[in-house]
Amino acid sequence: KNQVEQSPQSLIILEGKNCTLQCNYTVSPFSNLRWYKQDTGRGPVSLTIMTFSENTKSNGRYTATLDADTKQSSLHITASQLSDSASYICVVTDHTGGFKTIFGAGTRLFVKA
Amino acid sequence: NAGVTQTPKFRVLKTGQSMTLLCAQDMNHEYMYWYRQDPGMGLRLIHYSVGEGTTAKGEVPDGYNVSRLKKQNFLLGLESAAPSQTSVYFCASSYRGSEAFFGQGTRLTVV
Repeated sequence: KNQVEQSPQSLIILEGKNCTLQCNYTVSPFSNLRWYKQDTGRGPVSLTIMTFSENTKSNGRYTATLDADTKQSSLHITASQLSDSASYICVVTDHTGGFKTIFGAGTRLFVKA
Repeated sequence: NAGVTQTPKFRVLKTGQSMTLLCAQDMNHEYMYWYRQDPGMGLRLIHYSVGEGTTAKGEVPDGYNVSRLKKQNFLLGLESAAPSQTSVYFCASSYRGSEAFFGQGTRLTVV
């Protein structure tokens, strides 16, 4: 069964610190992996997308990495800000066409002053 | 540019009542989707549409119906609401299979 598992479930860090969120998936064959940010009460917003051949992608203070061999991805947030408090969702799409897009349950990040 | 707009934002229904959630997008996207988001779970696809007049079932379609009469609108219907349908519903649209843009969600409670 295709799955996307994220860890940790929640994380509390101090403003200015870095953090790394993890995503493991079993989706196969793999097409692409996205990281979304979801603020409370809002819809998810795409941060990065990586295909099979890419192993890193940056968007400002957000850097995503992908290891397609081990089926792992991480999202690194540098110099966290209070506005980074949100849920971060890992989303994997398979390569068979149709809409086999699997959403992880997300990591809830709290950035404290 | 409004993007994806969902109506209503909140709703409380009694068991057995019906309702329709409306999704409108102004980005001329072909693909539109309805998801539900429950605590501790990832978003799950209910139904989707790849163009005007076409719809298809997603992962959790039971108890829901959809219609795509116009390219910019995608309606989600609950014919007889059940407490298990208490959830936050998100509509999204995309240019084919590329990045999906989400609405702000509809919080539905069925009592």
